[in-house]
Amino acid sequence: SQQGEEDPQALSIQEGENATMNCSYKTSINNLQWYRQNSGRGLVHLILIRSNEREKHSGRLRVTLDTSKKSSSLLITASRAADTASYFCATVPRGANSKLTFGKGITLSVRP
Amino acid sequence: DTAVSQTPKYLVTQMGNDKSIKCEQNLGHDTMYWYKQDSKKFLKIMFSYNNKELIINETVPNRFSPKSPDKAHLNLHINSLELGDSAVYFCASRQMESGNYNEQFFGPGTRLTVL
Repeated sequence: SQQGEEDPQALSIQEGENATMNCSYKTSINNLQWYRQNSGRGLVHLILIRSNEREKHSGRLRVTLDTSKKSSSLLITASRAADTASYFCATVPRGANSKLTFGKGITLSVRP
Repeated sequence: DTAVSQTPKYLVTQMGNDKSIKCEQNLGHDTMYWYKQDSKKFLKIMFSYNNKELIINETVPNRFSPKSPDKAHLNLHINSLELGDSAVYFCASRQMESGNYNEQFFGPGTRLTVL
């Protein structure tokens, strides 16, 4: 069954603005991961945050995790047209046997 | 130098046919996966193999049969193709680590169209 639910489903911003995408999930997790998918391509791993971590940075990406609210957010700062893609959160439930469960994804459009 | 590769990239076939999709990874990973992505971009796991052993087998029709000849390859054979099988199929791999579920590396996908 689906674990992560992202919102909004679609986001359109101007180049240079920040993009914030949210993900909520239902069960306790081992970790949460964000992936990007460019049109017609495979998924690319962006960042992984463990259940005992609250915030993580990677370049222009900032991910937060609130396990009490079962939610995560992905912030892309100073967005570029090349950031246009679909973004997915994926969770590894605690005690799961090696299964990553994806949300429906968020379509981000960055206008030049 | 491609990490996870799939062939073919596109597959168009008639209903009732049998087809195979191949996947190879050169990352030295011990675990491989098949996912199906539908037209709404929903990604669902189908199978997973660890060192050639099946470890995840989701509720998938038994017309789908994965085969892993070695830990670098995971192929997907589909019998009696149906219209609903039309989707993009992704292969992925990762290195299993005890107590640490790390990231997966995805192939470019195979777009299957059943007519």
